[in-house]
Amino acid sequence: KQEVTQIPAALSVPEGENLVLNCSFTDSAIYNLQWFRQDPGKGLTSLLLIQSSQREQTSGRLNASLDKSSGRSTLYIAASQPGDSATYLCAVRPNSGGYQKVTFGTGTKLQVIP
Amino acid sequence: DAMVIQNPRYQVTQFGKPVTLSCSQTLNHNVMYWYQQKSSQAPKLLFHYYDKDFNNEADTPDNFQSRRPNTSFCFLDIRSPGLGDAAMYLCATSRESRNEQFFGPGTRLTVL
Repeated sequence: KQEVTQIPAALSVPEGENLVLNCSFTDSAIYNLQWFRQDPGKGLTSLLLIQSSQREQTSGRLNASLDKSSGRSTLYIAASQPGDSATYLCAVRPNSGGYQKVTFGTGTKLQVIP
Repeated sequence: DAMVIQNPRYQVTQFGKPVTLSCSQTLNHNVMYWYQQKSSQAPKLLFHYYDKDFNNEADTPDNFQSRRPNTSFCFLDIRSPGLGDAAMYLCATSRESRNEQFFGPGTRLTVL
């Protein structure tokens, strides 16, 4: 059974700092990995999707990397802003046996202090 | 803009009183999902549809049912809500089973 872990559970940084969020998964047989942002009381907003054959994806100040063999992904946020404050979740889609069974981590709650 | 819409955003019901949550999409995606998310927890997949093909997760309680009358709409019915069913309910879509998921804003369910 796939298990997805995000450490730390919470992170507080001053505005302008570059930061890295971590996502670990136990089964490397994945099809893709998706990073989401969730604001309090809201749905999930897709940030980046990395296919298993890719090493990284970039969108603006965000860069996500994937090391499938070691079961890790990182989300790098450059020059953090107070508006980046939210919970960030990663989700792993399996490579077989039910592609719909995406496994989510419990997220890292990020606070960017002005 | 193409999107996933959920109604209502907030739903209050009484213990045991049936409730229906609604999801619609303008993305014309084949797959629709329902997730339950409790406070500080990961979203938990309840079921999904590939077109009209319904797939129930093994641990989804019988109290939860779903309908997808057409490509655009999907409903979550909770037949007899209990206090433990209070949660955020998230609808998501993807073009195919392997593709990127897009989520709606969620419905926050309160059970009194």
